[in-house]
Amino acid sequence: DADVTQTPRNRITKTGKRIMLECSQTKGHDRMYWYRQDPGLGLRLIYYSFDVKDINKGEISDGYSVSRQAQAKFSLSLESAIPNQTALYFCATSETTSGYTFGSGTRLTVV
Amino acid sequence: EDQVTQSPEALRLQEGESSSLNCSYTVSGLRGLFWYRQDPGKGPEFLFTLYSAGEEKEKERLKATLTKKESFLHITAPKPEDSATYLCAVHATDSWGKLQFGAGTQVVVTP
Repeated sequence: DADVTQTPRNRITKTGKRIMLECSQTKGHDRMYWYRQDPGLGLRLIYYSFDVKDINKGEISDGYSVSRQAQAKFSLSLESAIPNQTALYFCATSETTSGYTFGSGTRLTVV
Repeated sequence: EDQVTQSPEALRLQEGESSSLNCSYTVSGLRGLFWYRQDPGKGPEFLFTLYSAGEEKEKERLKATLTKKESFLHITAPKPEDSATYLCAVHATDSWGKLQFGAGTQVVVTP
C-alpha cells in the first residue's frame, strides 16, 4: 500500500458543484499539505496542517477549504468549483525538517 | 520574498549526452534544498537533500551539487528511463517547514 493515498485519482465535475478530495497517510507524520500543479507554474501551496488542531492557509487558498479529521487524514474541498480550478492536486506529508512524501495526485477537471 | 527558478524549462538529450539542470534560489536562509523527479501523472519522488554549500549527493546517473545561490543536477550518460520532470524545492529558515518549489525542468532522453 502507498504511504500517501489520494482519492479519487480522476474526477470530472460541473461548475458550481462542491467536491471533496481525500488524503490519508501511513507515514505517521504530523504535517500534511495540499498543493495544486499547473503547467508552467509548478506546485503551489493551498493549505497546510502541522497537527490536527493546526490549519493554515497557503498562497492560493481562496475557493478552497480543508479538514484534518485525524493525524492520518486531510481533506480538501472546493466549495463551488470553477473551471480555473482544473488542475492536478497533490497531498504531501513531512516530518519537521524533512522533505515531503507525495501522493499520486488527483486530476480534477471542472466543466 | 523567497524565489526558486529552474532552467532550462525543457531539455532534449540524446542517450549518453550528459547535461546539467540549474536551480537558482533566493531565500533569507537555507535549511535545505531538495530535488524530486516527477513522471507524467504521478506524484514527485524524492531524490536528494542538500544542506550546505559544497555538498554533493549521487544516485546512479544523477549528481546534485549546491552553492550559496544555486544547485545543479548533473545527468551523466542519460538513458531514456531518465526522462521526467525534475523539480527543485527549498526549505527556508523562516518557512516553518514549508517547501517552495520551482516550476521544474522537463527532460526527454531519446535513444
